[in-house]
Amino acid sequence: KAGVTQTPRYLIKTRGQQVTLSCSPISGHRSVSWYQQTPGQGLQFLFEYFSETQRNKGNFPGRFSGRQFSNSRSEMNVSTLELGDSALYLCASKGQGGTDTQYFGPGTRLTVL
Amino acid sequence: AQKVTQAQTEISVVEKEDVTLDCVYETRDTTYYLFWYKQPPSGELVFLIRRNSFDEQNEISGRYSWNFQKSTSSFNFTITASQVVDSAVYFCALSEAWGGSEKLVFGKGTKLTVNP
Repeated sequence: KAGVTQTPRYLIKTRGQQVTLSCSPISGHRSVSWYQQTPGQGLQFLFEYFSETQRNKGNFPGRFSGRQFSNSRSEMNVSTLELGDSALYLCASKGQGGTDTQYFGPGTRLTVL
Repeated sequence: AQKVTQAQTEISVVEKEDVTLDCVYETRDTTYYLFWYKQPPSGELVFLIRRNSFDEQNEISGRYSWNFQKSTSSFNFTITASQVVDSAVYFCALSEAWGGSEKLVFGKGTKLTVNP
């Protein structure tokens, strides 16, 4: 089975721009979660989508949004980029089994100049 | 609020030494899950183990072992006979689980360097 894939792997943007990141989950997984990793704050949960609905949300401003499509692929969008948004954005997918867990993709490294 | 503390920021050992990574957690939930992930320099988080709060049995998988003690809210990870390939950042995480949703709260990570 193919793992979680994320595109693009690297992005450079300037302040004020917006960006869209994409995540394709493991086949059969319907839950997709997004995390932000920075040196200062560590790994923080952004949100989770399940069957095209946001099921859980972290403490991030409204500039961070996401969506999920019927094929379970997910996108996250950050509008009006700030320097502090520079981070590794990780996506994880999870199956529905009681013992299943989150499997992470390779991440998208976003640099805001 | 949930919290995970990994007090060791960095550990450096010589190959074949045993090393234990500490993890202490806080939660008011009675049902929760604990995890360990490994992050090599490539950046991807690699899943190592998931344990639920009702299962305090220790686990061994090859050179890896985990010690879960509810009484001290700890979930420590030991690598036996470490190898250079074990060099990575290791994260302990905690999640409550409701309605199938699983939001991971991570510790700050422990950077392990295994020297030849």
